[in-house]
Amino acid sequence: GAVVSQHPSWVICKSGTSVKIECRSLDFQATTMFWYRQFPKQSLMLMATSNEGSKATYEQGVEKDKFLINHASLTLSTLTVTSAHPEDSSFYICSTGTGGEQYFGPGTRLTVT
Amino acid sequence: KDQVFQPSTVASSEGAVVEIFCNHSVSNAYNFFWYLHFPGCAPRLLVKGSKPSQQGRYNMTYERFSSSLLILQVREADAAVYYCACNQAGTALIFGKGTTLSVSS
Repeated sequence: GAVVSQHPSWVICKSGTSVKIECRSLDFQATTMFWYRQFPKQSLMLMATSNEGSKATYEQGVEKDKFLINHASLTLSTLTVTSAHPEDSSFYICSTGTGGEQYFGPGTRLTVT
Repeated sequence: KDQVFQPSTVASSEGAVVEIFCNHSVSNAYNFFWYLHFPGCAPRLLVKGSKPSQQGRYNMTYERFSSSLLILQVREADAAVYYCACNQAGTALIFGKGTTLSVSS
């Protein structure tokens, strides 16, 4: 299966700052990447679908101006949490794949103080 | 609304066979996926498909709108969160809320 990496694995930032999370597909040309968020004791929830070379599509209730997604190449998608607030503290995880199977990155733990 | 349902917790004893049930209301979804997730790590695909299948100690039953994950000879190290998911062709997976498995010795 595809190998997906994320960077950073964890980050602590102050309220009001922006944080960028990278998702890389190491051995797979990822036309589409998916970004999920998991709050404590809750399920993985799809935030947005990132499409290479075009705008991302966001799930209902996810602010596109707050969670900026860039997918400029077939191996890299970035999620930028702008003006982060403590309620944005969560586990962010990306995935990619084809044929119905998804390969996940190890996730990024974001803590906003 | 497209949703996937599974129990929040399941408890078992070492050596037993554990069953985690899942059903969905997702239109045009034919495949089930079962993932194992340890906090802080990438979810790991255990078994998937649109028919009963087996991968090592993991068995998957299949009905059109439901599936069960069977873990054979369960161990304490199997204690984790198990996610059931399904999708329509070409779209992101829709996950259930996860089932936390506890295993007692």
